[in-house]
Amino acid sequence: AQSVTQLDSQVPVFEEAPVELRCNYSSSVSVYLFWYVQYPNQGLQLLLKYLSGSTLVKGINGFEAEFNKSQTSFHLRKPSVHISDTAEYFCAVSEGIYNQGGKLIFGQGTELSVKP
Amino acid sequence: GAVVSQHPSWVICKSGTSVKIECRSLDFQATTMFWYRQFPKQSLMLMATSNEGSKATYEQGVEKDKFLINHASLTLSTLTVTSAHPEDSSFYICSASETGPRPYEQYFGPGTRLTVT
Repeated sequence: AQSVTQLDSQVPVFEEAPVELRCNYSSSVSVYLFWYVQYPNQGLQLLLKYLSGSTLVKGINGFEAEFNKSQTSFHLRKPSVHISDTAEYFCAVSEGIYNQGGKLIFGQGTELSVKP
Repeated sequence: GAVVSQHPSWVICKSGTSVKIECRSLDFQATTMFWYRQFPKQSLMLMATSNEGSKATYEQGVEKDKFLINHASLTLSTLTVTSAHPEDSSFYICSASETGPRPYEQYFGPGTRLTVT
């Protein structure tokens, strides 16, 4: 069975510093990987996704992530964070798009707190 | 494009009553809709997957008689929490997958905060 582990529950960082949010997954088949952001009392917004092709994926708001198949990781990075990036970030994996209707399995979430 | 709405955004109900939450895809047709539950400071837990015109598939441990899901059209799915109790208080989020060549992307609604008193 597939699973997703976000290694850090909370990441405090100062404004304009770089940040990396870590995500590891386990699956016996090829996967599709996603990062979502959730602001308080809101739904999820897609930051970026890896489906195939280049392992470096660029998303919205200056975020990027790199798919590493050998390490089964999909870490999210941003070179310089802003106060407005303070939110909860979720890594998710989907396998068997057609077999399972694209069901997503989410990690536990990482709370990014950007301090001035 | 790809906007999903939920109604209501928040609801308070008394214990023992039922409450219905609507999930609509506003500008696309959704073959599949998903219902999630999220407790404070926790991740999303998939409750069920619904395909238009067929019965929903519930995840293990989710009571199908308590959480009734109907996906009557390609733009509307509803979740009814029957005989709600305080432990059902949670944030419920739906998502929808688009019909066509890109079924893998889910678009999320803004969520519904349910409080059962």
